[in-house]
Amino acid sequence: DAGVIQSPRHEVTEMGQEVTLRCKPISGHDYLFWYRQTMMRGLELLIYFNNNVPIDDSGMPEDRFSAKMPNASFSTLKIQPSEPRDSAVYFCASSPGGYYGYTFGSGTRLTVV
Amino acid sequence: ELKVEQNPLFLSMQEGKNYTIYCNYSTTSDRLYWYRQDPGKSLESLFVLLSNGAVKQEGRLMASLDTKARLSTLHITAAVHDLSATYFCAVHPWEETSGSRLTFGEGTQLTVNP
Repeated sequence: DAGVIQSPRHEVTEMGQEVTLRCKPISGHDYLFWYRQTMMRGLELLIYFNNNVPIDDSGMPEDRFSAKMPNASFSTLKIQPSEPRDSAVYFCASSPGGYYGYTFGSGTRLTVV
Repeated sequence: ELKVEQNPLFLSMQEGKNYTIYCNYSTTSDRLYWYRQDPGKSLESLFVLLSNGAVKQEGRLMASLDTKARLSTLHITAAVHDLSATYFCAVHPWEETSGSRLTFGEGTQLTVNP
């Protein structure tokens, strides 16, 4: 298995532009999580899905952020419009549930200038 | 709200020495995880602890869980430079009857000096 696959690995964009981050979870994993990591706030859970359905989006910072999971093998996190304070590393993780932990993707380092 | 606190947050130690990282959490939990993150990399699973008194060991790292004290420890024996990384604990709250949501600690940045 190739693990959790995220793209792009790095993204540099100008303030105000739309940014889309992508994630392919491990096949058979029913849970998908989006995290943001910064020095100031550490790891923050943004949203998670179970069987493609969003369960908890209370961590999404504001309406500029949206996430979708149209099928079991693909999820997107979109920021529109982007702002410099959105600069962070965004991780996607998946889990089969139960006592299993998460498998994290390699992350997307987003820089908004 | 579940709170997970690690200490110390920064740890600089010499090779060959022993040390312990602590993870305290604020509510009943049925499982606890430890992850490692190398600089600029992703998080890698180290241990999962499922019951009171559970102990897991791999190489120079040993993790234990005391659910009554709501405390987990990650003990480092005879540290080597390769152990330099940030270590996170993550807790699953008992009342989370659905889902696999974990709450992460702030992380402990470990530097092992020659």
